[in-house]
Amino acid sequence: QVQLQESGPGLVKPSQTLSLTCTVSGGSISSGDYYWNWIRQPPGKGLEWIGYIYYSGSTYYNPSLKSRITISVDTSKNQFSLKLSSVTAADTAVYYCARGYDPPYFDLWGRGTLVTVSS
Amino acid sequence: DIVMTQSPDSLAVSLGERATINCKSSQSVLYSSNNKNYLAWYQQKSGQPPKLLFYWASTRESGVPDRFSGSGSGTDFTLTISSLQAEDVAVYYCQQYYSTPYSFGQGTKLEIK
Repeated sequence: QVQLQESGPGLVKPSQTLSLTCTVSGGSISSGDYYWNWIRQPPGKGLEWIGYIYYSGSTYYNPSLKSRITISVDTSKNQFSLKLSSVTAADTAVYYCARGYDPPYFDLWGRGTLVTVSS
Repeated sequence: DIVMTQSPDSLAVSLGERATINCKSSQSVLYSSNNKNYLAWYQQKSGQPPKLLFYWASTRESGVPDRFSGSGSGTDFTLTISSLQAEDVAVYYCQQYYSTPYSFGQGTKLEIK
């Protein structure tokens, strides 16, 4: 059974870079059947799609965040990662990694990790 | 960008009664070449990640009870729970995957009356 697990610091200072990793277990990220996504949810608010990566390394980012985002993949570790630069309090959210089809509806989600931006 | 708007924002329904949640997209999410609506529904219970309920607007994900149904086409969609159970208390989201950036509705909070 495939599972996704987010990991990374829960607290990031303003202007710094948020870095998270999603580890895929029980299946291969290189299967080619899926796109691997990041989605976030500010406390008490709705969902925002951040971007996706394919196992080959091709990416697509939400234009609202594009200038600050990098999503990468490490197939040898079965992981993909998110970097969000120049964070502010508005980036405080639960960050989810999620598996998506092509085109992506999201059938499998990690449990999410809360990242707080604060000094 | 496609904007997804759900109504109502919150809803209280008695146990065993019908619950209806609406979702409207700012432009059609029906792809004419395959006649598919690029619309998904999710259920998010408190403290949990969203769970996929429907894709292609009306295709039920495996394991989803048949009291849940999805319908609609083009720009107007509906999620219906035919007989509300206590475990259905959650926030429900629609999502379009017709075009990037993929977008969600603001959510509808469903409670027991």
